[in-house]
Amino acid sequence: DGGITQSPKYLFRKEGQNVTLSCEQNLNHDAMYWYRQDPGQGLRLIYYSQIVNDFQKGDIAEGYSVSREKKESFPLTVTSAQKNPTAFYLCASNSGGHETQYFGPGTRLLVL
Amino acid sequence: GQQVMQIPQYQHVQEGEDFTTYCNSSTTLSNIQWYKQRPGGHPVFLIQLVKSGEVKKQKRLTFQFGEAKKNSSLHITATQTTDVGTYFCARSGGSNYKLTFGKGTLLTVNP
Repeated sequence: DGGITQSPKYLFRKEGQNVTLSCEQNLNHDAMYWYRQDPGQGLRLIYYSQIVNDFQKGDIAEGYSVSREKKESFPLTVTSAQKNPTAFYLCASNSGGHETQYFGPGTRLLVL
Repeated sequence: GQQVMQIPQYQHVQEGEDFTTYCNSSTTLSNIQWYKQRPGGHPVFLIQLVKSGEVKKQKRLTFQFGEAKKNSSLHITATQTTDVGTYFCARSGGSNYKLTFGKGTLLTVNP
């Protein structure tokens, strides 16, 4: 099956802890994206990558970090500097440009 | 700037009634995309509009792009319970190809 997978589905973070969210795609897409979704806020872009070994900050990058060492993978780390990390995190990919974005099933992060 | 405003934020209808959500921008849009997110799910692409005045239909859904390319609408005829979800419009951001999403319209349908 082709698509985007995200893991885990639910993730619990303790205060002061870094956590990493996984995103993998086998669609051979060049571009990958991370969004954060809060109730009533829509989707806000955290980071995006248009090609391997390159990525750019989105609108709300503070407290987050990413890497893009492989075309298929774009993990997101939520660091302890992110003071309000509880949210629904969505990963997406496309072949670049203005093309359709395909979304993974998301990860819900909760702070204990 | 690059924002898109969506109205209404919420809409509750009786099954069989029509529904419309609007997406507005203060600047000209190169294109507009529409996505649907079911409760608990992830956004799924519906359509992209590119041309001024463009109208596209998908069964009971009609999508329009304004003549000035500053607004768009999604109209659902005779809603069904399967239409429940949040409908987002999204604009692309020039050369960096970022998508900026509206805050969405949550549609609920009473059977």
